[in-house]
Amino acid sequence: AQSVTQLDSHVSVSEGTPVLLRCNYSSSYSPSLFWYVQHPNKGLQLLLKYTSAATLVKGINGFEAEFKKSETSFHLTKPSAHMSDAAEYFCVVSGPGNTPLVFGKGTRLSVIA
Amino acid sequence: DTEVTQTPKHLVMGMTNKKSLKCEQHMGHRAMYWYKQKAKKPPELMFVYSYEKLSINESVPSRFSPECPNSSLLNLHLHALQPEDSALYLCASSQVQVILYNEQFFGPGTRLTVL
Repeated sequence: AQSVTQLDSHVSVSEGTPVLLRCNYSSSYSPSLFWYVQHPNKGLQLLLKYTSAATLVKGINGFEAEFKKSETSFHLTKPSAHMSDAAEYFCVVSGPGNTPLVFGKGTRLSVIA
Repeated sequence: DTEVTQTPKHLVMGMTNKKSLKCEQHMGHRAMYWYKQKAKKPPELMFVYSYEKLSINESVPSRFSPECPNSSLLNLHLHALQPEDSALYLCASSQVQVILYNEQFFGPGTRLTVL
């Protein structure tokens, strides 16, 4: 069985300050982990993915995440927030093959000017 | 082409209407998915097609009827919907994988309102 916990339902940061969105997972497989972003009234866009290669994963728009097996975490970070980063972010875990994706409940990121 | 397209973008329908949602991809993916997303919630899986055959139906009411006419197209036929079915309907596609990870590409969604 797999599960994902996003530890914060809402994070608010000032423009230009660092972003940290927290995600813990549970998986009986060697997991694949993803972060997706969803802007208002839009579909989901893949930010980055972990697939058992490098534990530090770089994604689009300056985001990165580090897979820490000992802590079962996959936190998303960005050094400097931009107004356009304001959106809903989903941490997702998947097993091998076409196992259905398991979504976290989402974290809404607000960026204050 | 790394895009999943969905039509229409918005749909308003009455409870007695019949309508269809369409999804198309040209990435050569042979797995396609329908999700339902309510406001401020994560997407919920409805159906999965693998090689144009229905492989997963997550106990979805029969008023939703999926169809996969070919490897690029996915339809969702709607009939006698209820107001609580109002939501964003997302289509996604991926490679059919046995061992490797399942990276899904999502379309922009159809915003459905049932009156």
